[in-house]
Amino acid sequence: DAKTTQPTSMDCAEGRAANLPCNHSTISGNEYVYWYRQIHSQGPQYIIHGLKNNETNEMASLIITEDRKSSTLILPHATLRDTAVYYCIVTRRGSTLGRLYFGRGTQLTVWP
Amino acid sequence: DAGITQSPRYKITETGRQVTLMCHQTWSHSYMFWYRQDLGHGLRLIYYSAAADITDKGEVSDGYVVSRSKTENFPLTLESATRSQTSVYFCASSESSPGDTQYFGPGTRLTVL
Repeated sequence: DAKTTQPTSMDCAEGRAANLPCNHSTISGNEYVYWYRQIHSQGPQYIIHGLKNNETNEMASLIITEDRKSSTLILPHATLRDTAVYYCIVTRRGSTLGRLYFGRGTQLTVWP
Repeated sequence: DAGITQSPRYKITETGRQVTLMCHQTWSHSYMFWYRQDLGHGLRLIYYSAAADITDKGEVSDGYVVSRSKTENFPLTLESATRSQTSVYFCASSESSPGDTQYFGPGTRLTVL
């Protein structure tokens, strides 16, 4: 599975959009981009995933560049409860060889 | 709609004792996983299971044993606990492959004295 690179930390004002970048320059054609987050002391929580196209759900939007070498998770209106570590993971969906490798992630702090 | 549960949530034990952490899921997912999380290491995979009676090692399996006699349960046993196994343990499940969306339990905080 391809490796990812994320900034160690970011901050954002409450009510503003939080844009979390991720580089995955070695991604393969059959690998998906997944985002999870982990609020302090809780289990990781799935946010969103995508292959090529931009995706949106009730939690966030995922923008994947055309060459698929990077992506951005967007929380459109960040709240204090969005303070968490965000993990960008690339994996082969639907494959018995797929794994989730959690790196250090990005610590997002939302301030009032 | 319980989802995935873990018990106990907190456990303190002594070196050399056997400890079993329980994980139960109500979705009938095929795959189940055990991770540990330590400061400075992120989440690391201990064991996973593709179905009842099918298990395989992850990257940090030494000192751990798993079983899966029923689809919904995936207990993790530390046969002789060591201080280095002090950690937070998370169980997860996914519907049909390891690369699919994984859903995590709330975790068990284990302290080995």
